[in-house]
Amino acid sequence: GAVVSQHPSWVICKSGTSVKIECRSLDFQATTMFWYRQFPKQSLMLMATSNEGSKATYEQGVEKDKFLINHASLTLSTLTVTSAHPEDSSFYICSASSGDVGELFFGEGSRLTVL
Amino acid sequence: GQNIDQPTEMTATEGAIVQINCTYQTSGFNGLFWYQQHAGEAPTFLSYNVLDGLEEKGRFSSFLSRSKGYSYLLLKELQMKDSASYLCAVRDSNYQLIWGAGTKLIIKP
Repeated sequence: GAVVSQHPSWVICKSGTSVKIECRSLDFQATTMFWYRQFPKQSLMLMATSNEGSKATYEQGVEKDKFLINHASLTLSTLTVTSAHPEDSSFYICSASSGDVGELFFGEGSRLTVL
Repeated sequence: GQNIDQPTEMTATEGAIVQINCTYQTSGFNGLFWYQQHAGEAPTFLSYNVLDGLEEKGRFSSFLSRSKGYSYLLLKELQMKDSASYLCAVRDSNYQLIWGAGTKLIIKP
């Protein structure tokens, strides 16, 4: 099946620094990628929808200036958490659709810990 | 508003069968997904239903009734490794995915 790779798998950073997470579709072109955040014991929360070559669409309550999303190519989307704070510590997951049969494939997830 | 309902937690015995239900009220419908998520890992795709009826895939089957806004995931011959959260998600008329909170399935020997 289609593969989505996410990097890094886990990252620890100091408060106030910025962290970039990459999401790549390895064997298909993804015109749309999705970024989620998941807190412990909770379901996925959609943060934004990333469209190749255009600005991301953010969900209500998600600060677009804090969570910068770039979708420069059909195989790569990046999420940058700017000026990270401890409350930003979470599991961030990207997904992409192959567009054929509606399947949605997820990256491995990135666990961010802000000290 | 849009809403996906599924039980919070279920318990079943190894080797048995369990059915996880999902009901939805969304603005439009463009398919329903079931995902499995083990603790600390990203979700993995299980099934996709867009037409009414039963889709069987090995030990897992998924059923959809669009008129009732209802789906279920059926897991047969349960194994301990099936202990996980099962997420139901519906794609609405804007092709946005609406997620349920997930059902934590506990398998006992």
